[in-house]
Amino acid sequence: AQSVTQLDSQVPVFEEAPVELRCNYSSSVSVYLFWYVQYPNQGLQLLLKYLSGSTLVKGINGFEAEFNKSQTSFHLRKPSVHISDTAEYFCAVSDLVGGYQKVTFGTGTKLQVIP
Amino acid sequence: SQTIHQWPATLVQPVGSPLSLECTVEGTSNPNLYWYRQAAGRGLQLLFYSVGIGQISSEVPQNLSASRPQDRQFILSSKKLLLSDSGFYLCAWNGGPVEAFFGQGTRLTVV
Repeated sequence: AQSVTQLDSQVPVFEEAPVELRCNYSSSVSVYLFWYVQYPNQGLQLLLKYLSGSTLVKGINGFEAEFNKSQTSFHLRKPSVHISDTAEYFCAVSDLVGGYQKVTFGTGTKLQVIP
Repeated sequence: SQTIHQWPATLVQPVGSPLSLECTVEGTSNPNLYWYRQAAGRGLQLLFYSVGIGQISSEVPQNLSASRPQDRQFILSSKKLLLSDSGFYLCAWNGGPVEAFFGQGTRLTVV
């Protein structure tokens, strides 16, 4: 069975500082990996995805993530955060289960950008 | 392009009343459909998923049920709401693309 672990439930960071949100996954087969962002009272928006190829994936809003197969990690990074990045971030893994792509989410990390 | 609609956006219901939340997808056929619940501090919990009309799988036992009467329609229901059913409910789909696409969510408050 697949699972996703986001160790940090909240991450405070000052504006213009770098940030890393951690994500580790477990799965018995090759997987697809995603990061989503959720602003208050809204649905989830896809930030970036790893399907295959280059392990460094660039997404929207200046975010990037690196797939590390040996460490089963997919950490999200941004070199300089803005106030508008304050939101909750979810890591997810998709695996072929019973003939369909099942998506499993982590518990989320709340990023609070401090002015 | 594909779009997903979910309504209502907010709902306040008394304990013991019925519930019906609807989700429809446009621009794709035979999508996989999902209902998630997001409770404070608990992340996203998968409630139900469906790979086709009339095919519903439940991930967790609960007071809710789901139905898929048409290919692109997914309904979340309850006969009698409990206080613990309060939360933010999200509908999602995937299929041709492997990533999930989400609706805007329904904030349900049971009073």
